[in-house]
Amino acid sequence: NAGVTQTPKFQVLKTGQSMTLQCAQDMNHEYMSWYRQDPGMGLRLIHYSVGAGITDQGEVPNGYNVSRSTTEDFPLRLLSAAPSQTSVYFCASSYRSAGNTIYFGEGSWLTVV
Amino acid sequence: AQTVTQSQPEMSVQEAETVTLSCTYDTSENNYYLFWYKQPPSRQMILVIRQEAYKQQNATENRFSVNFQKAAKSFSLKISDSQLGDTAMYFCAFMKPGGANSKLTFGKGITLSVRP
Repeated sequence: NAGVTQTPKFQVLKTGQSMTLQCAQDMNHEYMSWYRQDPGMGLRLIHYSVGAGITDQGEVPNGYNVSRSTTEDFPLRLLSAAPSQTSVYFCASSYRSAGNTIYFGEGSWLTVV
Repeated sequence: AQTVTQSQPEMSVQEAETVTLSCTYDTSENNYYLFWYKQPPSRQMILVIRQEAYKQQNATENRFSVNFQKAAKSFSLKISDSQLGDTAMYFCAFMKPGGANSKLTFGKGITLSVRP
């Protein structure tokens, strides 16, 4: 059972480049989300999805796009990378019911130079 | 909007001793969930303990227990018999039921160091 899988684990981008962080879960979870973690800031919600075909913005959505074409996958796209997007990104998933355990991926380290 | 405050950025404890990590939150909701997550140097987010606001009994998981004070909006984590493997950053988090289940609001975290 793979759980929540994120790729790549490490990436260096140049300012202005675009890229996609991949996230896949094999637990048939309805909910998926993306967080970013910056020093001294804790984790902040970027985008989330309550099911295939449905997405919504979180606390810090600017500069990111998401889509949810399948239950398993929830990619995060950086449209035009900026140094302010240097961060550690976490994908998470859970079942629909409130209070269910949220499973996190191992994180993706992104540096924008 | 909910806020979660962890006012202590760092703490240190001697191995085998007990340490308490503080967390306060602000919400107008009556029913919600509170969590403590552990993040070791590997950066993996590991759920330590969960508390449901409508349950008065404090949650316990082996050496980890919470002191949940709903009226005071306080949710502290007690680690008993501290071990070197407890060295990590600890995050307090709040979840409002309904809506987007995965929507956690995190505090800024506290770095705990366990001294041998």
